[in-house]
Amino acid sequence: DGGITQSPKYLFRKEGQNVTLSCEQNLNHDAMYWYRQDPGQGLRLIYYSQIVNDFQKGDIAEGYSVSREKKESFPLTVTSAQKNPTAFYLCASSGEGSNYGYTFGSGTRLTVV
Amino acid sequence: AQSVTQLDSQVPVFEEAPVELRCNYSSSVSVYLFWYVQYPNQGLQLLLKYLSGSTLVKGINGFEAEFNKSQTSFHLRKPSVHISDTAEYFCAVMRGSTLGRLYFGRGTQLTVWP
Repeated sequence: DGGITQSPKYLFRKEGQNVTLSCEQNLNHDAMYWYRQDPGQGLRLIYYSQIVNDFQKGDIAEGYSVSREKKESFPLTVTSAQKNPTAFYLCASSGEGSNYGYTFGSGTRLTVV
Repeated sequence: AQSVTQLDSQVPVFEEAPVELRCNYSSSVSVYLFWYVQYPNQGLQLLLKYLSGSTLVKGINGFEAEFNKSQTSFHLRKPSVHISDTAEYFCAVMRGSTLGRLYFGRGTQLTVWP
């Protein structure tokens, strides 16, 4: 079955460390997105990519970095510069055939200890 | 930027009662509208969407929503809820001029009591 896989589901990080969250899709979608979710704040866009080797900052890109070397993969790195990284991170994709809808992964919960 | 307002952060309701979750968006010439549902510690699942045509849209799990252009609203309704409908619901808007970028509301937690 086609879908989006996020790994790991739970991640613990010590302050000052960088950590990379994985997002892989086999839907052949061109566009991929990273959102951060905090209680009561909805989903906030971190980065998005509409094509391989290209990506744009969203609304809260500071302290994060991404790459898009393959169509299927859009990893997110949470750097030590992100002041409050503890959150639930969601990856999504969209493309031809999705009729403008997004397909979401099951999320990664990052906790800084 | 597009803004999406979900007027109620929490909606408690008894089982088998009707429910309406409200959503308003900032005006735009052309918009596509979506409702998503999220169960605890999971991703979002598409409930329904309005792209064009009939303003009454039917989705999964017995939900429906009505697009009202004059009031810039897209309220979600269900005539009779079940305990399994307990979840967080997100309204989202895509401007026709910025295809691909979804703007989300802050979410409404629906809790269904027996």
